[in-house]
Amino acid sequence: KAGVTQTPRYLIKTRGQQVTLSCSPISGHRSVSWYQQTPGQGLQFLFEYFSETQRNKGNFPGRFSGRQFSNSRSEMNVSTLELGDSALYLCASSLAYQAGLNTEAFFGQGTRLTVV
Amino acid sequence: GEDVEQSLFLSVREGDSSVINCTYTDSSSTYLYWYKQEPGAGLQLLTYIFSNMDMKQDQRLTVLLNKKDKHLSLRIADTQTGDSAIYFCAETQNYGGATNKLIFGTGTLLAVQP
Repeated sequence: KAGVTQTPRYLIKTRGQQVTLSCSPISGHRSVSWYQQTPGQGLQFLFEYFSETQRNKGNFPGRFSGRQFSNSRSEMNVSTLELGDSALYLCASSLAYQAGLNTEAFFGQGTRLTVV
Repeated sequence: GEDVEQSLFLSVREGDSSVINCTYTDSSSTYLYWYKQEPGAGLQLLTYIFSNMDMKQDQRLTVLLNKKDKHLSLRIADTQTGDSAIYFCAETQNYGGATNKLIFGTGTLLAVQP
């Protein structure tokens, strides 16, 4: 069974540009979450999707957006990139999405974004 | 609150036991997790514990949960050099409503000396 696939693995962008990152969850998983990891802030929750709907959003500016498709694949977009957006962006997929159930999130390898 | 704290660094000798500690502040946590991150890699789920349990053992890993003190620990028996990595504890708070959002600790760098 294939794991969570994130593309691309590495990306270098210039300030002011926009970027789209992709995540394919484990087959059968319908819940996808995104996290930003930086040395200074650690792992921060960006947003989560289930059945093509954004269910929860972290404390990030509106430049960060995402979507989920009918096949559960998800993309996140960052517009007007800033130097501080340089980070490892991690996607996680989960089978269940229900109160009280085990989240058991499985992570991809991440996309390393460098903004210059 | 959503603060989850861990000590930054732990150094042990190969063959010894390692104990990584985590404290959290929100008593509504339902599940608590331990993840491992090796250099340049994503997060690997190691184990988890439900909030109404106080201990779970999984091969070399033992998780202890003290809900009264909001303290979680991960013990790794017979620590190997391949265990060197950053370890994150994480919690989810989905008792009242559905969410898969994880709140992560600051991470503990485990260095295993041969």
